[in-house]
Amino acid sequence: DAGITQSPRHKVTETGTPVTLRCHQTENHRYMYWYRQDPGHGLRLIHYSYGVKDTDKGEVSDGYSVSRSKTEDFLLTLESATSSQTSVYFCAISSETYNEQFFGPGTRLTVL
Amino acid sequence: KNQVEQSPQSLIILEGKNCTLQCNYTVSPFSNLRWYKQDTGRGPVSLTIMTFSENTKSNGRYTATLDADTKQSSLHITASQLSDSASYICVVSAKGGATNKLIFGTGTLLAVQP
Repeated sequence: DAGITQSPRHKVTETGTPVTLRCHQTENHRYMYWYRQDPGHGLRLIHYSYGVKDTDKGEVSDGYSVSRSKTEDFLLTLESATSSQTSVYFCAISSETYNEQFFGPGTRLTVL
Repeated sequence: KNQVEQSPQSLIILEGKNCTLQCNYTVSPFSNLRWYKQDTGRGPVSLTIMTFSENTKSNGRYTATLDADTKQSSLHITASQLSDSASYICVVSAKGGATNKLIFGTGTLLAVQP
């Protein structure tokens, strides 16, 4: 998985609780992304980062926030989880936006 | 609206046979087209990336083609193996300001049976 780890790999939580997912890379790539994958949908971009403390919204950013305090770490936070956020979350990295994206192993999140 | 459509949704073939997966897109302005393989429970892994000027690109038993005029791409798998069982995702990169945007298809689920 190209030097990308995600934690936790699986999480079950209750509606209304905060959740933070972590993505860690050892490739020193500038760009980092958070996607969600749901049945019947292609991967959808939640947020991305183009440098330390530089982030921007993707197409499905409502209910999510991100932070990047170090090049190697990109955090995704669900401030108050809802059942609609039950999904598989993937982190990806790339050296440039037009270059290949390398994906992490994913985090399966279930919100009850 | 930028869209990527793949067909078929699912496919079952016998080990050793060939198959072709299709991808049609309406993405503008076009930057490149990618094919990814996603094994169950894992993240997608890149197979090929093709720019506008490339018609075909191979990666082992995988050969991707691109017709930028008709906005179609195909992924041909030769002499399939059980390990080819996976979802194959077509992704088109659109140029846009400071960053490119990726538009993902929903994938073709391939099952290779012995």
